[in-house]
Amino acid sequence: EDKVVQSPLSLVVHEGDTVTLNCSYEVTNFRSLLWYKQEKKAPTFLFMLTSSGIEKKSGRLSSILDKKELFSILNITATQTGDSAVYLCAVGNAGGTSYGKLTFGQGTILTVHP
Amino acid sequence: DAGITQSPRHKVTETGTPVTLRCHQTENHRYMYWYRQDPGHGLRLIHYSYGVKDTDKGEVSDGYSVSRSKTEDFLLTLESATSSQTSVYFCAIRPDRTSYGYTFGSGTRLTVV
Repeated sequence: EDKVVQSPLSLVVHEGDTVTLNCSYEVTNFRSLLWYKQEKKAPTFLFMLTSSGIEKKSGRLSSILDKKELFSILNITATQTGDSAVYLCAVGNAGGTSYGKLTFGQGTILTVHP
Repeated sequence: DAGITQSPRHKVTETGTPVTLRCHQTENHRYMYWYRQDPGHGLRLIHYSYGVKDTDKGEVSDGYSVSRSKTEDFLLTLESATSSQTSVYFCAIRPDRTSYGYTFGSGTRLTVV
């Protein structure tokens, strides 16, 4: 059974801090790892990673994948109150009819105080 | 949002009653998914569909059934609702087999009393 574990489960920081969110996985037929941000409603897509060691960057957010050690990190620098959300990690399966199916971690609740 | 709507947005129902949630898309995407979200569990897959009348079970399918008679609609039915099915339900769509560009609906908050 595919498994995705995120840590920490919750994190409280102050504006301007840098945070690192972790995601480890065990999945057969790994295809990709995705990060989503969820505020009040639906998750919204942040990054998709398929290759080890290549950093994806968008503004103050960046992410990298290590396929040997089976983990990914999401970094947020100079945090703002608008970064407060649940961050979800998901892994995509490439096998058979499971192709494209995502398995999600529990999520990390990030709270940024002014 | 991006051509996917869920209905109802909120529902309170009694234990033992059947409940149907609807996911409607205007994107003509082939793949559709139903997830539930509970504290401490993230999103867990209930059922998914890879075409009209083609569906398969996810990891938490017990007590749920689905139907997809048209490309645009994917229905999730709780055959006899239980309190353990109190949750937020999300539908997601994906255009094709190689894309991971999931788009999520806004969710249905279901409370079973």
